[in-house]
Amino acid sequence: GENVEQHPSTLSVQEGDSAVIKCTYSDSASNYFPWYKQELGKRPQLIIDIRSNVGEKKDQRIAVTLNKTAKHFSLHITETQPEDSAVYFCAAREKTGGFKTIFGAGTRLFVKA
Amino acid sequence: DTAVSQTPKYLVTQMGNDKSIKCEQNLGHDTMYWYKQDSKKFLKIMFSYNNKELIINETVPNRFSPKSPDKAHLNLHINSLELGDSAVYFCASSQGWRGVDTEAFFGQGTRLTVV
Repeated sequence: GENVEQHPSTLSVQEGDSAVIKCTYSDSASNYFPWYKQELGKRPQLIIDIRSNVGEKKDQRIAVTLNKTAKHFSLHITETQPEDSAVYFCAAREKTGGFKTIFGAGTRLFVKA
Repeated sequence: DTAVSQTPKYLVTQMGNDKSIKCEQNLGHDTMYWYKQDSKKFLKIMFSYNNKELIINETVPNRFSPKSPDKAHLNLHINSLELGDSAVYFCASSQGWRGVDTEAFFGQGTRLTVV
């Protein structure tokens, strides 16, 4: 089955700097990669997703890149703000074995004002 | 209107008790899930139902039994609760199943504490 690894586990940046979170996946058949943001005590919420027929997607300050050959994808947040502080999860939708979404372990992002 | 709602939000109970968590979605989605989030924030899928049919059943103890009376509801019953069951349980739903890649909408979570 699919295995998703996420790095770093903790990331601290100064307000206004960029933050990058990287994930790798193991199942080359996976073709849907969502990113979720979870604020303290709240539910995970989708912030951006990418499908395997696309190499990059951008939504305002957030962008995701996908390298299918290397089986890794990354989240880029530019001009970070304190309200970006949260836990971010990458995920990959498995296409073999059960079609389930497998989550990375999460990255706790701290944005210092 | 809340898209995916689960009750209760908090549940404190003693070891050995049996408890249920209810989930309802008003998005018209076909697929519903239960996830467990442990103290280290790791999100692990437990079950998935598509149109009331069990699709995914991960390696979860038999003490956990999901029930889907219709495609808008997915409840989770837990027998003989153990300390290790303490976690936040999230219900989620998404549209479609095989070949359809859509985001999952999560409920607000149920924080279960077993004492």
